[in-house]
This record gives sequence, C-alpha cells and structure tokens, in this order.
Amino acid sequence: GAGVSQSPSNKVTEKGKDVELRCDPISGHTALYWYRQSLGQGLEFLIYFQGNSAPDKSGLPSDRFSAERTGGSVSTLTIQRTQQEDSAVYLCASRQSGSDTQYFGPGTRLTVL
Amino acid sequence: DAKTTQPTSMDCAEGRAANLPCNHSTISGNEYVYWYRQIHSQGPQYIIHGLKNNETNEMASLIITEDRKSSTLILPHATLRDTAVYYCIVVGGFAGGTSYGKLTFGQGTILTVHP
Repeated sequence: GAGVSQSPSNKVTEKGKDVELRCDPISGHTALYWYRQSLGQGLEFLIYFQGNSAPDKSGLPSDRFSAERTGGSVSTLTIQRTQQEDSAVYLCASRQSGSDTQYFGPGTRLTVL
Repeated sequence: DAKTTQPTSMDCAEGRAANLPCNHSTISGNEYVYWYRQIHSQGPQYIIHGLKNNETNEMASLIITEDRKSSTLILPHATLRDTAVYYCIVVGGFAGGTSYGKLTFGQGTILTVHP
C-alpha cells in the first residue's frame, strides 16, 4: 500500500519568510510524528499527534514552529519567520494504534538562504 | 528509553553476511529492540524489531541475547544497495509511558558494502 508522503520534497526560502510542510500519513495510522535532521546530525523529535488527543509539542524548538493535523489525517508543519538554522530535512512518520513501529516519509529538505 | 551503543562503521563484501552489533545493557523488561536504516538522502526505513525472541523477515534477522543486553542485526547476503546508516533503538513497549514511542536515534553504524 501507499507509504507516508511528504511535500514538497525540496523547499528553498529566504530568511524571514513563512513555510508550510505537508505530511500524508499511511491510511488508518492514528499516530503521527514530526522530526528534523540537521546536516550530519541525528533525528530530533518535534511534535506528536495521537488521534484526537492534545499533541505533544515538547520538541518544538521555538514558538515560530507550529503544527496541526486536520481530520486525524494530513498534518502541516508551519515555520514562521524562518532562520538559517531552520535549514534541515523535516521528516514525518506515522504509526498504527497498538504498534510501536513508525514508518517514515521521504522528508522535505528545507534550505533557508 | 535505554541507551544503545553501536560501532561507528563497518565494511562488508557484497554477497556476504553483514552482522551489525548493538549493546543495550540498560534495557528494561518491556522495551523492544528496533532497527532502522537510512540510505543517503532518504527517510529512515524500518527493518525489524524484537522483544526477546530471535526474529526474521524478508529483510533481515535479529538475534537478541538471552539477557537482552545486546543484539545483532544480520543481513544474510549484503548488496551494494544495503550501504546505509543502521540505527539500533530501544523503544518502550507500546506508547512507552510518557515517551509516546518517540524514537531517539543515535549516531548508528555506517555500513559500507563493497564489490
């Protein structure tokens, strides 16, 4: 079946602009995660959604970062007033209820000039 | 979640078995051992996981020691496309308490498969 998809695959923006990154999880997966991976670094957890529960936002690095998940499916990660240090690959993963296995999308490579 | 230790890098000849070790001496009873890999410029790919029994799927085998303090991922016939960073991760049993199954990736093992 279809895996996790993310769009765009690449995004180049200017410092100070806002960007939106999209994640389509695997159909039926109730849990959705956002991570980011800076150049040469490991994955850093950002935010977690589970069904209709309040999201765990503990990994968001600043209030410029926000995310929403509409209808329990598609999620959008928004970064306002982007900074050069926001440049990274942003990865989305989903997981079905009752399992610990997360399946990752291909990521969005964000470059802030 | 328990911390894991992996060698920084390993080499393997194409067609031979690749055996990737992982130490997780502080693992607790309800924590699973998961393996993911990340091929350059792609998202992490799930490989296999286990609790205490050895596991095998179409990609690999996972051997977990009886005391569960270490494990080995085995790629039986490595190909050039298996060149990647391999991550061993310990995950709290479903929804792992307050961790919600958040994955913490270390530096992993860079596996290079050569002709």
